[in-house]
Amino acid sequence: AQRVTQPEKLLSVFKGAPVELKCNYSYSGSPELFWYVQYSRQRLQLLLRHISRESIKGFTADLNKGETSFHLKKPFAQEEDSAMYYCALTASGGSYIPTFGRGTSLIVHP
Amino acid sequence: DAGVIQSPRHEVTEMGQEVTLRCKPISGHDYLFWYRQTMMRGLELLIYFNNNVPIDDSGMPEDRFSAKMPNASFSTLKIQPSEPRDSAVYFCASSLTGGTLAGTEAFFGQGTRLTVV
Repeated sequence: AQRVTQPEKLLSVFKGAPVELKCNYSYSGSPELFWYVQYSRQRLQLLLRHISRESIKGFTADLNKGETSFHLKKPFAQEEDSAMYYCALTASGGSYIPTFGRGTSLIVHP
Repeated sequence: DAGVIQSPRHEVTEMGQEVTLRCKPISGHDYLFWYRQTMMRGLELLIYFNNNVPIDDSGMPEDRFSAKMPNASFSTLKIQPSEPRDSAVYFCASSLTGGTLAGTEAFFGQGTRLTVV
């Protein structure tokens, strides 16, 4: 079974501070990991995926298979980053059903 | 494509009434998902379809919930009878699978905010 854990329900930082949203997963095979973002009262949208190794809006995430983690990082938070962030896992080469973590609410204060 | 379209955006109903939520997936997508979002539980997968066929409905909380996908461009989630604890935001999402090397992204609708009083 695949499982995604986001240990923090809420993360509160000041503008300009570094941000790290934690995500751990459990899956016996080779996973595909994603971060989705949901701004206030909007739909969830893909932020980034591990396979692309990209930086989006200053955010990066590295898949660490040894620690089974896919933490989302940004060196300097902006107020517009305030949103709900969901980590998700899809089983590579098999079921394409995304399993989501419970989400972390990021609040960036001015 | 306008993306995944859900209707209504908001629904307020009285306990015991039937509620029907609607979803139009992105054309050509072969998977459709229904999720429920609450503060307590986050995003829960209720049911998903592959090529219009229900594959796994183990996430459907009770027999009061049912979902159908009569064709590739339409799906419904029905709650009958509705209860106050069903109040949540219900999301529909679709994805295109098979052969992609870039990771399978799920595209979400705007959601339906359901309030049962």
